[in-house]
Order: sequence, then structure tokens, then C-alpha cells
Amino acid sequence: QVQLVQSGAEVKKPGASVKVSCKASNYPFTSYGISWVRQAPGQGLEWMGWMATYDGNAKYAQKFQGRVTMTTDTSTTTAYMELRSLTSDDTAVYYCARDMKFAEAYQYWGQGTLVTVSS
Amino acid sequence: DIQMTQSPSTLSASVGDRVTITCRASQSITDLLAWYQQKSKKAPKLLIYDASTLEGGVPSRFSGSGSGTEFTLTISSLQPDDFATYYCQQYNTASTFGQGTKVEIK
Repeated sequence: QVQLVQSGAEVKKPGASVKVSCKASNYPFTSYGISWVRQAPGQGLEWMGWMATYDGNAKYAQKFQGRVTMTTDTSTTTAYMELRSLTSDDTAVYYCARDMKFAEAYQYWGQGTLVTVSS
Repeated sequence: DIQMTQSPSTLSASVGDRVTITCRASQSITDLLAWYQQKSKKAPKLLIYDASTLEGGVPSRFSGSGSGTEFTLTISSLQPDDFATYYCQQYNTASTFGQGTKVEIK
């Protein structure tokens, strides 16, 4: 079945960067987009952006423009999300999610990666 | 950015109750709306997409309706497994989630 397996938890200092990976399997990787969604402790879901895996085109939420980069490696069917200039407000669980063939709703999700930003 | 406003934020209900959650968009999103269920510490689960299409394997007690700017998620008869937090998501222009509705035991 479709799987999205994310990299492990990270602890970062303020000002640092973090790069989270999302390994996809059991489906044609370049046929579906990958999005990133985060959830701060006790808070709701926040959309960060989306990437077309077939050509690398990305669109980011305005809030993260200039601070986030989403990439893919089609040879390893892995998507990446890098967030720079971290602050304590970036402490959250970060999810990757795969959209559907004809709708940008998220049918499959990774297990989540906890990123903690603390001095 | 399109804003999504869910109501109520918290809903207390009993098993067997009919439950309705509303999601309003700040501008028209046609029918490009999804609903998710999230249980503590778990990834969200897709329930409904394109405003009213039930995802495979989701019980038929869940239904969605609406178009334009106003949408509803209805659970026809609340079951013990349904106590969770529900989110709407628009995907008409980029994407935005509502702030969530927690359905708790009355």
C-alpha cells in the first residue's frame, strides 16, 4: 500500500535550519504532488506548501515564502522540506501528504516529524 | 489568502446524536473542500473531498454538503470512534485549513 515515511525527530537551535525527508513508496512518485503541513503543540493544521514531483514546481504559503524550500529526488522517490531561520514558533510536528489524482485533498500522510527549536 | 472559519470550536455530544460542523470560506472556493478527522498524536484522516464525495472506507454516517463559501460536515449518528477533532481544508487557491472543531463526549 502507499507509504510515506518521514525522517526522525530533530532538535535545533534558534536561527538554524532543518531539512525533513519523506520517502514515498508503492505508487508512481511523479504522478502525484506532495504537500507539507505542520501542527504546533495543541494547535491546528497549517498548510506550508505543495510541490509537483514531476517537474519540481512549488508553491508556498505566503507566511513561509523566502524561508522554506521544497525539493524532490525522483531517483529515490523522496521529498524534502527545508525550513530556515528557525524560531521557537517553528516547534511543531511536520507532515508530508500526497494529494489525489483529481483533487488536492490529502489521501495519504506521513507519520509526522517533530521539530523542536530550543536554545 | 483564503480564510476558513469553522464553527463551533468545540462541540459536546452524546453517542447517537446528529452532529453538524460548519466551515465558511472568505471567498468562493466552488466545491474544492475536504474534511479530515484527527485523533490525538495521529496524522489526519481524509473523510470527504470535493465537498461531498465520501473517501473510500469512510462510514456512510459521514456526509458533506455545500458550495461557494458555506459547507457542512454531518455525522448522522455519532459513534464512540467519532470523538476527535475535525478540520476543513480548501484547495481552490493554494490551501488553507480551518482552525478545527473538537467533538467531545457530553
